Order: sequence, then C-alpha cells, then structure tokens
Amino acid sequence: GEDVEQSLFLSVREGDSSVINCTYTDSSSTYLYWYKQEPGAGLQLLTYIFSNMDMKQDQRLTVLLNKKDKHLSLRIADTQTGDSAIYFCADRTSGGSYIPTFGRGTSLIVHP
Amino acid sequence: NAGVTQTPKFQVLKTGQSMTLQCAQDMNHNSMYWYRQDPGMGLRLIYYSASEGTTDKGEVPNGYNVSRLNKREFSLRLESAAPSQTSVYFCASSGTVLGGTGANVLTFGAGSRLTVL
Repeated sequence: GEDVEQSLFLSVREGDSSVINCTYTDSSSTYLYWYKQEPGAGLQLLTYIFSNMDMKQDQRLTVLLNKKDKHLSLRIADTQTGDSAIYFCADRTSGGSYIPTFGRGTSLIVHP
Repeated sequence: NAGVTQTPKFQVLKTGQSMTLQCAQDMNHNSMYWYRQDPGMGLRLIYYSASEGTTDKGEVPNGYNVSRLNKREFSLRLESAAPSQTSVYFCASSGTVLGGTGANVLTFGAGSRLTVL
C-alpha cells in the first residue's frame, strides 16, 4: 500500500540550513505537502507542491520534488530556534481516497 | 479566527469508562476527520466524514464511533476506554469534496490529550 517515509530526527545549529527529506511510494501522487507541528499544538500547513512542479520557494522555505525517485525535500534557510518543531510530509494520490497520507514526522531540533 | 475547536483539551479516564470528544469548525468545510497521534507512529486516521450524513472508517477505527451531527460538528466516542487508546487526538477539516481534484489542505484543531488508566 501507500507509504510515506521520513527520518525521525534532525539536529542543526542556529543560522545553518536544514534539509528534511521524505520518500513516498505511490507514483500517482498528485499533491505533496509539508505540515509543521509546534509543541502542544496541532498541525499547520507550511506549503504544498503539485506533482508537475520540480521546485517551490516561499521566503526561507524551498521544496524540491524528484518524481523519478519519489523524493520530496524541505529546505529551511537560516534556521532559527523558532523553527524547532515536528515536520510532517504527506501526499495525496490521484485515485481512491482524496485524504492525504502522513509520514511519521521529523523532529527538528535547533541549537543556539 | 476560531477554525477548528476541540474539547476537552485534557481528559483522564479509567479503563472501561466512556467519553465523547467534540469537534466543531466554522469554515463551512465539507470534510472532517479524526486522527490519533502516538510517539513514533505519526498521524493515523480513525474516521472521516466526507459530508454531512456520511462517515467512513480510516486506518484504526476499532474501539471508536463517530457522529457527524451537522456540517459544523463531528464527534468521536470511546464506548469503553482501554489503555491502548491513550493518545493525542486531532480533529481536522477541509473544503474538498469527495472525488474533488483540489489540494485538500487540512486545518487541524489544537488536540485533545487523553490518558486511560
């Protein structure tokens, strides 16, 4: 079945770039998403990318999509302590359910 | 600016007790969802409702029931709570209709932390 995989932890120093990676198995994925969960809160959409795009940039965030390898990444430039959170990758496929499937989340820890 | 509101925020139950988690959204969304979040497991879908009057099972429905009371409200009931149901529960909603081709962005509530002793 459909699966979305992420590493569980990433630790970076403040001011460095962070790159969070995600792989998915379903080649019919149409939309791919990044959600952010701050401590004690619900998930909030950071950004999403349609499958016909390779890249999307929004201020400090850059999303890269490699459809051939089924690989999605989120780069955060100039990472700040306020970026410490859990980041979830999710995808939505073209057939069947319209509900996104979420990965297990990557905990980003930013050290001062 | 309410978005998705969940109550209660915290609850402690004894094994075998029942309770209902309430969820309401004010965005006129068609679809609503209940997820549970456990350490290392990510988000798992319990039930969802594509529209008022319909509900469907997700990945982990056993031990739960839901009611889509109206377009705004979607409740989750635990009839006989078990320690395995200790978790953080999230309600979410989205504007996409079943079969729609849009991005289906979910808006989440703040979560309800449930402990079953």
